[in-house]
Amino acid sequence: DTEVTQTPKHLVMGMTNKKSLKCEQHMGHRAMYWYKQKAKKPPELMFVYSYEKLSINESVPSRFSPECPNSSLLNLHLHALQPEDSALYLCASSQDTSPRGGRGTQYFGPGTRLLVL
Amino acid sequence: GDSVTQMEGPVTLSEEAFLTINCTYTATGYPSLFWYVQYPGEGLQLLLKATKADDKGSNKGFEATYRKETTSFHLEKGSVQVSDSAVYFCALSDGSGNTGKLIFGQGTTLQVKP
Repeated sequence: DTEVTQTPKHLVMGMTNKKSLKCEQHMGHRAMYWYKQKAKKPPELMFVYSYEKLSINESVPSRFSPECPNSSLLNLHLHALQPEDSALYLCASSQDTSPRGGRGTQYFGPGTRLLVL
Repeated sequence: GDSVTQMEGPVTLSEEAFLTINCTYTATGYPSLFWYVQYPGEGLQLLLKATKADDKGSNKGFEATYRKETTSFHLEKGSVQVSDSAVYFCALSDGSGNTGKLIFGQGTTLQVKP
């Protein structure tokens, strides 16, 4: 089973709202990722968690706050977003972050389509 | 730094035509190479991968061979179907460190007409 689940599927929020995106995997993977994807573009990496510790923050604005409560769960807390933050948010997981032997093969969830009004 | 270059799309083919989507890369270390597919309104699905030189990845009739001498990982399918219409992304893992980063190409849109 290579399933990564994400909730909600769609989210509409105002610029003053606080919301959270949730991602879950049960493959025993120890690396999890958040990406942002705009239409017709490749995904852009936002955060990497390795063994439940934040290992990479790609200079993401503080209105995005990631959290990894345990090895199976990844959250992305949203606060005071801007309309330009509207995008598809993708979660992914991999065995770990090693590039060797396919251990870093990332499996993606279906995404949360976010609209900020 | 590492990079991936994909052929520009869109690519429009008739059903049962032969498909090639070119992908070349520059990388340090020992990256793995991937093809992901994204159907309209969905997330990315891993289509196939190759973890070392001369490996061939294959899945659902698609194939790609990791060619270190030409730094290429071209995607091929012998006979496309309308259901193959999607965006295809070539990607490589950051082979120079333990970051877990994927470097993506810009994506190639494939449209297959009946």
